[in-house]
Amino acid sequence: GENVEQHPSTLSVQEGDSAVIKCTYSDSASNYFPWYKQELGKGPQLIIDIRSNVGEKKDQRIAVTLNKTAKHFSLHITETQPEDSAVYFCAASIIDEKLTFGTGTRLTIIP
Amino acid sequence: EAQVTQNPRYLITVTGKKLTVTCSQNMNHEYMSWYRQDPGLGLRQIYYSMNVEVTDKGDVPEGYKVSRKEKRNFPLILESPSPNQTSLYFCASSLSWPGVSEAFFGQGTRLTVV
Repeated sequence: GENVEQHPSTLSVQEGDSAVIKCTYSDSASNYFPWYKQELGKGPQLIIDIRSNVGEKKDQRIAVTLNKTAKHFSLHITETQPEDSAVYFCAASIIDEKLTFGTGTRLTIIP
Repeated sequence: EAQVTQNPRYLITVTGKKLTVTCSQNMNHEYMSWYRQDPGLGLRQIYYSMNVEVTDKGDVPEGYKVSRKEKRNFPLILESPSPNQTSLYFCASSLSWPGVSEAFFGQGTRLTVV
């Protein structure tokens, strides 16, 4: 089955700097890659996703890139703000199958 | 408001005492699932359901049961809880398979088994 590895497990950045979280997946058939943000005491919430026919997707300060050849995808957050502090999960899926999640990254924005 | 509601939010129980965690969604979603979240292990799927009366095992189903008698409800049942089931549990729902449509998560249930 699919295996998703996520790095780093913790990340601290100065407010205003950029943050990058990386994930690799094992199943070349995976074609859907969402990112979820989990704030303290809440459930994960989808923040951005990308499908395998696209190499990059942006939404304001957040972007995701996908390298199908290398089987890795990354989350980029620019101009970080205190409210970006949370745990971030990547995931991978084949359409009509379940999501397989990474192990999570705890991002801390230092004011 | 569209939401997934889990109850209770916090639960402390003793080994072997049967318990049920409820999950309800108001979005008329077909697909519902249960995950457990453990430090360093991320989110692992326990069970999922694609429709009423249709359920299937996820990655870590041992020690759990589920039922889907109505479209909106998907309770998680622990017949004889053990300490290794101490975890943070999330229910999620989506219109279709999670690879096709966005998954919405509940607020979580923190379970402690002593």
